[in-house]
Amino acid sequence: ILNVEQSPQSLHVQEGDSTNFTCSFPSSNFYALHWYRWETAKSPEALFVMTLNGDEKKKGRISATLNTKEGYSYLYIKGSQPEDSATYLCASDNYGQNFVFGPGTRLSVLP
Amino acid sequence: NAGVTQTPKFQVLKTGQSMTLQCAQDMNHEYMSWYRQDPGMGLRLIHYSVGAGITDQGEVPNGYNVSRSTTEDFPLRLLSAAPSQTSVYFCASSYGTGLTNYGYTFGSGTRLTVV
Repeated sequence: ILNVEQSPQSLHVQEGDSTNFTCSFPSSNFYALHWYRWETAKSPEALFVMTLNGDEKKKGRISATLNTKEGYSYLYIKGSQPEDSATYLCASDNYGQNFVFGPGTRLSVLP
Repeated sequence: NAGVTQTPKFQVLKTGQSMTLQCAQDMNHEYMSWYRQDPGMGLRLIHYSVGAGITDQGEVPNGYNVSRSTTEDFPLRLLSAAPSQTSVYFCASSYGTGLTNYGYTFGSGTRLTVV
């Protein structure tokens, strides 16, 4: 079973701050890395799916980068807003393995 | 476009009872899966299916059965509920057959308590 790790486990930032967090995944047999946003009492929603080393994707104030050689991805949020408060999940899709989610980073943006 | 529909949203069972969690999707997705989410842990895969008639075990399959008689439906059965199965259950589907560069679509979840 793959080991997908995320750090930090949780963080609190002030409104307007920019922040980032990390997802680490096995680089062997890598196929795709997914990021999801999961608001309390809702279901996870897909943010990005990234496949190529060096990929960078952006959606509004949120962006992500991918390094498949060293097995990590960063998620960045620019100018955090209270509505960005959620748990951010990453998941790794590798050949020969089931899709595996990390434990998530819980972000709280304080007004 | 309903997406992924899960029922029920909440359920309380007594130990030893059986029940079926329903999951249906209307997006013609080949891949469907069931996850459970427990406090302090990530989503863990219970069972998955890459198409009608094909199912396989995930990370935590014990105590659960699944079937996939149609593309649309993927029910999860608890044969004899145990308190350890108290959790929030999510059904998810995706275009493709597992390895995918498409995002997963999740249902709204079923909160199950076994007493």
